Amino acid sequence: NAGVMQNPRHLVRRRGQEARLRCSPMKGHSHVYWYRQLPEEGLKFMVYLQKENIIDESGMPKERFSAEFPKEGPSILRIQQVVRGDSAAYFCASSLQPGQSNSPLHFGNGTRLTVT
Amino acid sequence: AQTVTQSQPEMSVQEAETVTLSCTYDTSESDYYLFWYKQPPSRQMILVIRQEAYKQQNATENRFSVNFQKAAKSFSLKISDSQLGDAAMYFCAYRGAQGGSEKLVFGKGTKLTVNP
Repeated sequence: NAGVMQNPRHLVRRRGQEARLRCSPMKGHSHVYWYRQLPEEGLKFMVYLQKENIIDESGMPKERFSAEFPKEGPSILRIQQVVRGDSAAYFCASSLQPGQSNSPLHFGNGTRLTVT
Repeated sequence: AQTVTQSQPEMSVQEAETVTLSCTYDTSESDYYLFWYKQPPSRQMILVIRQEAYKQQNATENRFSVNFQKAAKSFSLKISDSQLGDAAMYFCAYRGAQGGSEKLVFGKGTKLTVNP
C-alpha cells in the first residue's frame, strides 16, 4: 500500500519560471492538503482540496499560486513566475475521512523547491 | 487564530536517557486535537503521538508519552530510553475539532540531538 507520493523530490527553477509540484494521495484517499515549510520553520497550511473542489484555500498566497485535484490524476500545486522567496519544502498530505481522530493525516516526503 | 509555540529550538539527550520537549498553544476552542510529528533528515513527516482534548488520560505510544495540561494549554512530549534513531526535528501541531478538516497549525519545531 503505497503512501503519499510526491514528485519531483527536488526542483530547481530560475526566477520567473513556473513550478509544478505533483502529489498522488494514498489509495482510496480523496482529501488532499498542501503545506509549505520555509527554512527553520514549521509547516504552514496552504490549501485543502477534494476531488475537483477547493475546500479551503485560506493559506494560499493571492497571486501566482494555484492548486487543483482533478477527477483523474494527481493533485498539482502550481507556482507561476517563481521568486526566491518561494524556495521551500512543499508537503502534500492526504486523509480518508477528514476530521476523524482515527483517520490520520499521511504526509508525503515533500518537494524541495529551489529558486535561483 | 490558533497558535502553537515551541520554546526550545534545540535539545540534546544522552542515549538511554529521558528528554522532555515543550509545547504550548493558544485557542478559544474547547474541543481539539494535538499532535507530535517527527521529521528526520529524510524530511518525511512521521506522526509520533496524538491526544484528543476531551480525554483526560495522557496518550502513550511505547517510549513516547505526553503530559497534557488543558487548563495551562500545555502539551509536552517525553521520550524515554532515547535512541540514536530519535534524533530529528519534532513538531507540535494543533487541529480544531470543528469543520471536518485536517488543517493543522504547527510550531516551529525543536531539533533533538541524541548523543551516544
